[in-house]
Amino acid sequence: DGGITQSPKYLFRKEGQNVTLSCEQNLNHDAMYWYRQDPGQGLRLIYYSQIVNDFQKGDIAEGYSVSREKKESFPLTVTSAQKNPTAFYLCASSTGGTQPQHFGDGTRLSIL
Amino acid sequence: AQTVTQSQPEMSVQEAETVTLSCTYDTSESDYYLFWYKQPPSRQMILVIRQEAYKQQNATENRFSVNFQKAAKSFSLKISDSQLGDAAMYFCAYRSGGTYKYIFGTGTRLKVLA
Repeated sequence: DGGITQSPKYLFRKEGQNVTLSCEQNLNHDAMYWYRQDPGQGLRLIYYSQIVNDFQKGDIAEGYSVSREKKESFPLTVTSAQKNPTAFYLCASSTGGTQPQHFGDGTRLSIL
Repeated sequence: AQTVTQSQPEMSVQEAETVTLSCTYDTSESDYYLFWYKQPPSRQMILVIRQEAYKQQNATENRFSVNFQKAAKSFSLKISDSQLGDAAMYFCAYRSGGTYKYIFGTGTRLKVLA
C-alpha cells in the first residue's frame, strides 16, 4: 500500500547531539513537509520541499536541517543548535491541486 | 500573509447531537483550498473534508459538512449525529493555489459526552 513511513517512532537525544528523523514516501508525491507539534498545539512548519534538490524554510527552521536528494525521501536533522527539541514531529507529502496532504504516523523526540 | 484562526480551543457535544467548529482565514488570493483534519489520541492526521474556493457548493462527507462563506472568509465544520469516535483535535488548513505551502490553525479539541 502507498503511504508515508516515519522512523523511528520514538527517539531520544543527548545534549549536544544531532539526530536524524527519517521520512519516506511511495506515493510519487512531488512535495514533502516537516511539521513540529508541541503538546496541545497546532502544527508548525519547519521545512518543505517542492522538488528534488530544493527546499524552503518554514516558520521555525532554526536548529533544523533537511535534504531532498531523492523524491521519496526527506530526512530531518535536529541539530544541537535546537535548544528545545522535545516535540512530536510529523512528515507529510502532497501532489498539489485539490489533493490534501498525507501524513506519516510521527516521531516523538525527547531529551535524555 | 495568510492566516488561519480557530477561535474555539475546546468544544463539547452530547453523543448523537450536532456541533459546529469554526474556522476563519485571511487571504487576498482568489484561488485556494481549505481542509479539515482530525487528529485522534493516536496522533494520526486524518483528512475529514476539503473545499475548493471556486466551488460555491458546500462539501459534504457523510456526517461531516462545511459551511463555506467565501466573502466572510469562514469555513466551519458541522458534525451531525456525533459519535464517541469523533472525539479528537480538529485542524483547519489553508493552501493557496499557487503554492504547496499549507497553513494550519491552532486546533479545536472536541469532546463527545456519552
